[in-house]
This record gives sequence, structure tokens and C-alpha cells, in this order.
Amino acid sequence: AQSVTQLDSQVPVFEEAPVELRCNYSSSVSVYLFWYVQYPNQGLQLLLKYLSGSTLVKGINGFEAEFNKSQTSFHLRKPSVHISDTAEYFCAVSDPNTGNQFYFGTGTSLTVIP
Amino acid sequence: DAGVTQSPTHLIKTRGQQVTLRCSPKSGHDTVSWYQQALGQGPQFIFQYYEEEERQRGNFPDRFSGHQFPNYSSELNVNALLLGDSALYLCASSPGTSYGYTFGSGTRLTVV
Repeated sequence: AQSVTQLDSQVPVFEEAPVELRCNYSSSVSVYLFWYVQYPNQGLQLLLKYLSGSTLVKGINGFEAEFNKSQTSFHLRKPSVHISDTAEYFCAVSDPNTGNQFYFGTGTSLTVIP
Repeated sequence: DAGVTQSPTHLIKTRGQQVTLRCSPKSGHDTVSWYQQALGQGPQFIFQYYEEEERQRGNFPDRFSGHQFPNYSSELNVNALLLGDSALYLCASSPGTSYGYTFGSGTRLTVV
């Protein structure tokens, strides 16, 4: 089975500063990769996804991520964060050969400090 | 256009009881997946329903069962509840096997 490691459980960052949330996955076979955001008492909202093509993926709200196959990583970045970015962020992997279910990491809590 | 609707939003059950959670998928979606999200953890895949059949299943015991109706809505049933079943249960719908998932806001289950 696939597994995902989110290396930082909590990331505090000042408003307008850049941020990187780290994600590594276990498999060396072809995988699809995703980042989701979860606001308090809400479901998951897709930020961006990598299925194929360019390794630099741009998503909503100014987020982007880079797929690095050799390092099995898919780190999420934003050049300038806002207070409204405070939320829980989940990295997920899916193996298209075994179905379209997700394997999620344990999440990174991003807190933007005014 | 309504997204994924889950009911109830919260409920409290006693250990050993049975519970049923409900999910109405987004319009145009025919596949429903269920996830369990324990406090402080990422969601874990329970199972997926398509054409009224369980298509895939995660590593959950048989106490967890489900059903999909002809209108694509779905139920998650959990028997013999344990304290460890306390979690947020998320329903996600998608069109077929695509990755165009829409997640609901979840049902918060507390087992006491």
C-alpha cells in the first residue's frame, strides 16, 4: 500500500512570508499526487493535483507544488501567505493501477501570524 | 448546484450500539467513497461504491458496511461501536473513476 509522510505537523509563518509544506511518498511506481486543504469544521478542498505532464503544478489561491520523482517528494509552496491560509493541509497519493482511492498523510497545520 | 450533503452533522452513540450515516452525492456524480478521519490524523479510506456495489475496500473490519441506492446516495453502517470509532466520517463523490472528487463536510461521531 501507498504511504505519505508529511514532515512537519505544525508550521507557523508570518503574514506575507513564503511557506513550504513538505510531503514525501513511499512508492516508486507511477502515482498521482494531491494537496487538499481543510478549514475548521469543513470537508476537504482540492488545492492542486499532479497526474502527468509538467512537474510544476499550479493550484488555487496562489499555491504551487513540484513533483520530484527521484526524491519521491511533492512539496507545496506559496510565495506570500495570508491570514486566510490558516488551515490544515493534507498531501495524498493514489495509485491509478489499483483504483482511485486516496492515501493521506497526517496533515500539516499552517498558522499564519499577523 | 448542491455539493455533497452528509447527515447528521453530529451524533453521540454508546459503545456497542449501531449507527447509520448518510450521504447524497453531488449532482452528476455516481461514485461514493467513505473516509474515516480520527482526531489529528489524515482521512483513511473505508470503501467505495459504484453501481450499487462495493468496488474497493480499505483496511477496515466487517463491522463497517455500506450501501448505495439507485439515486447514487449512500449509507455507511457501523455495528458494535467501539470508543476508537469516534471520528469525523467524510463522504466524497466523483464521476466514475475520475479524480474529480467533491468532499462533504462530514459527520462527527462520538462514541461514549
